[in-house]
Amino acid sequence: AAGVIQSPRHLIKEKRETATLKCYPIPRHDTVYWYQQGPGQDPQFLISFYEKMQSDKGSIPDRFSAQQFSDYHSELNMSSLELGDSALYFCASSPGQVEVSGANVLTFGAGSRLTVL
Amino acid sequence: AQSVSQHNHHVILSEAASLELGCNYSYGGTVNLFWYVQYPGQHLQLLLKYFSGDPLVKGIKGFEAEFIKSKFSFNLRKPSVQWSDTAEYFCAVNTRNSGGYQKVTFGTGTKLQVIP
Repeated sequence: AAGVIQSPRHLIKEKRETATLKCYPIPRHDTVYWYQQGPGQDPQFLISFYEKMQSDKGSIPDRFSAQQFSDYHSELNMSSLELGDSALYFCASSPGQVEVSGANVLTFGAGSRLTVL
Repeated sequence: AQSVSQHNHHVILSEAASLELGCNYSYGGTVNLFWYVQYPGQHLQLLLKYFSGDPLVKGIKGFEAEFIKSKFSFNLRKPSVQWSDTAEYFCAVNTRNSGGYQKVTFGTGTKLQVIP
């Protein structure tokens, strides 16, 4: 079965550079979530999108921005990179927001590991 | 705001020992609860979920969890662990934000090390 695809898998950048991470959700999933997991840390929610609109915002720095495109893929743009941005960035998708059951399961991608030198 | 607490940060067990990982959440409304597992170097995978109904839910690989509403708990259990269960386990709670959109909050994780 198709899974959540993230690219690139690994990325090395210098301080103050920019980086873009991409996420392709499972087909027919219209909701995308971004999480940041620092070394030895739990996943921290950054931002989510539903039907190309931002649906929730977490601890995303102002230097970061994201969007969801018409094909439902999402991109996380990170500028003025800092050493502390080194982390594993996970994308997850789910099949929509308002469900009778009250919740949908998030399926996670393999993550993009960003190293800032 | 909702929060999730996992009491044990690091658990070391011998193979065949029984496992129980604690998870408590803080949220006044209806919640949906999950346990995710992250094997070394891999991404998060769903272990089991509770939406409604029987509070004792069974997941993959012999894991189960019990939702106790009065204690705001959703502890994960396995009668006999294997070396291959070595991983980090995250409890998560799913609620709705003010806009009605789904919001998932993770606990800090418990690292389980199983010694052969």
